[in-house]
Amino acid sequence: DAKTTQPPSMDCAEGRAANLPCNHSTISGNEYVYWYRQIHSQGPQYIIHGLKNNETNEMASLIITEDRKSSTLILPHATLRDTAVYYCIVRLPGGYQKVTFGTGTKLQVIP
Amino acid sequence: GAVVSQHPSWVICKSGTSVKIECRSLDFQATTMFWYRQFPKQSLMLMATSNEGSKATYEQGVEKDKFLINHASLTLSTLTVTSAHPEDSSFYICSAPLAGGSYEQYFGPGTRLTVT
Repeated sequence: DAKTTQPPSMDCAEGRAANLPCNHSTISGNEYVYWYRQIHSQGPQYIIHGLKNNETNEMASLIITEDRKSSTLILPHATLRDTAVYYCIVRLPGGYQKVTFGTGTKLQVIP
Repeated sequence: GAVVSQHPSWVICKSGTSVKIECRSLDFQATTMFWYRQFPKQSLMLMATSNEGSKATYEQGVEKDKFLINHASLTLSTLTVTSAHPEDSSFYICSAPLAGGSYEQYFGPGTRLTVT
C-alpha cells in the first residue's frame, strides 16, 4: 500500500465544514483513496472512497487532485459526533484487500 | 447495512489464562475476516487474516501459537489469546468484507482486553 501523510490533529467549529487533507504522492495508477474514521473506543467506520473523480455520499465528499497525489475529505456540516480519528488509506479496491492504517488525523469538533 | 459483532465487548483476565474473542457477521457470510490490535493512542495493526476452513495467515511478528484463530463457519471467527500477559492488554477489532464486487470491510465494535 502507498504511504499517506496526514496532519496529526485538527479543530473545527460545530456546523462548519471540516476539510481533512491527505498527501499520497506515491499512489499507483490502480490504487484508490479510502477514508475511514474511528470514534473513541469503537471499531473503524468506512466513509468514502474514490479513484480519480470527486465522490460524494451521505456522509462526506472526497476531492482528489488531478495528479492524484493528494485528496481532501470534506464533512460539510461538522457535528460533535464527528469528533474522531480519520484515516486516509490508499490501496487496491475490494473488501478482501488488507487495510493498513496510518496514524490518521484526530478531528476535534468544538461547540 | 452489514453488521459485524464482537463478544465480549470487554474482558478482564488474570495473567496466564486464555481468553477467547468472537467475531460474527450477523447478516452476511464471510469467508475471510481480519483481526487487528490497537494499543492506547496508537493506530490499528493488522494481526492476521482468518480464512474459513483453512489456516489463518499471520502478519510478520505476530505469534501464531499465542494468538490462535479459528474460522469454523461462514459467520464466525474466534481469536484466542493463550497464556495472556499484561502486555497483551489491548483493543482487539475484527472486520469482514461482503462477498463480491468492491464492497468494503465492515468492522466490529472491538473487544477491550485487560490482563492483570
